[in-house]
Amino acid sequence: KAGVTQTPRYLIKTRGQQVTLSCSPISGHRSVSWYQQTPGQGLQFLFEYFSETQRNKGNFPGRFSGRQFSNSRSEMNVSTLELGDSALYLCASSPILAATYNEQFFGPGTRLTVL
Amino acid sequence: KQEVTQIPAALSVPEGENLVLNCSFTDSAIYNLQWFRQDPGKGLTSLLLIQSSQREQTSGRLNASLDKSSGRSTLYIAASQPGDSATYLCAVRRSGAGSYQLTFGKGTKLSVIP
Repeated sequence: KAGVTQTPRYLIKTRGQQVTLSCSPISGHRSVSWYQQTPGQGLQFLFEYFSETQRNKGNFPGRFSGRQFSNSRSEMNVSTLELGDSALYLCASSPILAATYNEQFFGPGTRLTVL
Repeated sequence: KQEVTQIPAALSVPEGENLVLNCSFTDSAIYNLQWFRQDPGKGLTSLLLIQSSQREQTSGRLNASLDKSSGRSTLYIAASQPGDSATYLCAVRRSGAGSYQLTFGKGTKLSVIP
């Protein structure tokens, strides 16, 4: 069974641009969460999608947005990039939302560098 | 607000030594706690998942314990090997319907010296 895949793996953008990152969950998984990892703040929760609906959102500005498609694939978008958005963006998938025993499985991440 | 703390931030041990990594959290209302391993520049690999009703979980040379009432978890690594060198993160899943949100500690960077 293929794991969580994220594309692209690396991105370089300049300030003011926008970027879209993609995540394909493990087959059969319906929940997708996004996290931002920086050296200073560590791993921080961005948002979570289940059945094409955003279920939970972290404390990030509105420049960060996402969506989920009917096949459970998810994209996140960051508009008007700032230097501080440079980070490793990780996507995680889980089977279903309601079961408490489920764990999250993480992808390799997308390394975004903003110049 | 849930806060997760991992001590120490970094640890260096000689090969073969047994070691313990610590994780503490402020809100005991959790569904479960997960330990991850992260290699430099890579994603997270799940090591162990402990449900809130459980006291410990074991996988090979790894043993994780959970004391929910005191807000603590430990990850015990037996007979450490150079390949165990990585950053170890613990994360708690908050209680509440319909959420997988994890709150992470900042990790313990482990170096196992041959």
